[in-house]
Amino acid sequence: GAVVSQHPSWVICKSGTSVKIECRSLDFQATTMFWYRQFPKQSLMLMATSNEGSKATYEQGVEKDKFLINHASLTLSTLTVTSAHPEDSSFYICSARGRTTKNADTQYFGPGTRLTVL
Amino acid sequence: AQSVTQLDSQVPVFEEAPVELRCNYSSSVSVYLFWYVQYPNQGLQLLLKYLSGSTLVKGINGFEAEFNKSQTSFHLRKPSVHISDTAEYFCAVSDMSGSEKLVFGKGTKLTVNP
Repeated sequence: GAVVSQHPSWVICKSGTSVKIECRSLDFQATTMFWYRQFPKQSLMLMATSNEGSKATYEQGVEKDKFLINHASLTLSTLTVTSAHPEDSSFYICSARGRTTKNADTQYFGPGTRLTVL
Repeated sequence: AQSVTQLDSQVPVFEEAPVELRCNYSSSVSVYLFWYVQYPNQGLQLLLKYLSGSTLVKGINGFEAEFNKSQTSFHLRKPSVHISDTAEYFCAVSDMSGSEKLVFGKGTKLTVNP
């Protein structure tokens, strides 16, 4: 149980285009989803926290107009990188936190999306 | 605010040897503790977690960790490693106040050699 998927697993796009990444909790309802960014050989940096039906909370230094997050349902959150540039190239990972006592204390991570902006 | 220190950025060991990956944390409040493993080009997989109760926690793949409140440590151990254990290991904490955020250490690269 507690499986999180991401789509796509990798994407290459041209500079200036927008890219949408989906994060789904497959077998549980996620009250909260998190988006992280990971640079090569580094740890995860939290970008934002999203709760179903409300606006995302962004970490300091993360541009909310550039990284649009939508948490439309209890099983789906999307991250859209708008007007992507080469410096946005990174590994983006989402995680989900459940709503039951069984899974509310743990974040379950997706497999990640490798974004390369040319 | 919490912080996590993983003292060793790289740990090379031989197959079937024991290993310990160290994790120390700093927090002014009580915390939950986690160890995650990341294989190349993949997301994070939960190894084990400490929420309350017994300070010795057993996880998947033969790993275990011991919570030591006085030393603010949560070291990860395995008595005999396999080559397939080669991966990046992250220690993380979250506070119990409901903030939900995970604070990660910088990771330890475990390399198991034949």
